[in-house]
Amino acid sequence: AQKVTQAQTEISVVEKEDVTLDCVYETRDTTYYLFWYKQPPSGELVFLIRRNSFDEQNEISGRYSWNFQKSTSSFNFTITASQVVDSAVYFCALSEASGTYKYIFGTGTRLKVLA
Amino acid sequence: DAGITQSPRHKVTETGTPVTLRCHQTENHRYMYWYRQDPGHGLRLIHYSYGVKDTDKGEVSDGYSVSRSKTEDFLLTLESATSSQTSVYFCAISDHGTGEYEQYFGPGTRLTVT
Repeated sequence: AQKVTQAQTEISVVEKEDVTLDCVYETRDTTYYLFWYKQPPSGELVFLIRRNSFDEQNEISGRYSWNFQKSTSSFNFTITASQVVDSAVYFCALSEASGTYKYIFGTGTRLKVLA
Repeated sequence: DAGITQSPRHKVTETGTPVTLRCHQTENHRYMYWYRQDPGHGLRLIHYSYGVKDTDKGEVSDGYSVSRSKTEDFLLTLESATSSQTSVYFCAISDHGTGEYEQYFGPGTRLTVT
């Protein structure tokens, strides 16, 4: 069975600090996809990144970076030099590639960036 | 932004009444999903569809039914609303045929059952 765990319920940082959001997943499939979504206070869900199980390259996009490690079943998200606009709930999600294309979401991490 | 709309955006209804939420997409994506979001639970899948008239249950499907008669529309029905169904409902779409597996979400519907 699939499972996604985001153990950090809420994190508070001061602006300009770096912060890492943890995501640990479980799956029996060898091919799967991992995602991060952002939900700002306005409520919409915004897609940030997809990572395929066969591609363990880390990715950087501006102040955002993602570290995918199959050995530890983790897909962590780091925000460098955090800003108040980064305040949101962040969700990690997993989808197996075995036909049903269902997605399992973690319970989310609420990030508060204080000015 | 993906073309996904949900209607209504807000609804207050009484216990025992039927409620239908609509999700409409203009992206021609094959897969459509209904989730509910509740504090402490993240997003939980209610039902999903993998084509016209092809639907299946998610992890919290009790008390909900769905229909998809056209590619662009996916309806979620609460046959007899209960207070436990007070939640924010999100519709999502995805299209695996293009090699993109991410979901795109609608703006959400806030449903209150009194």
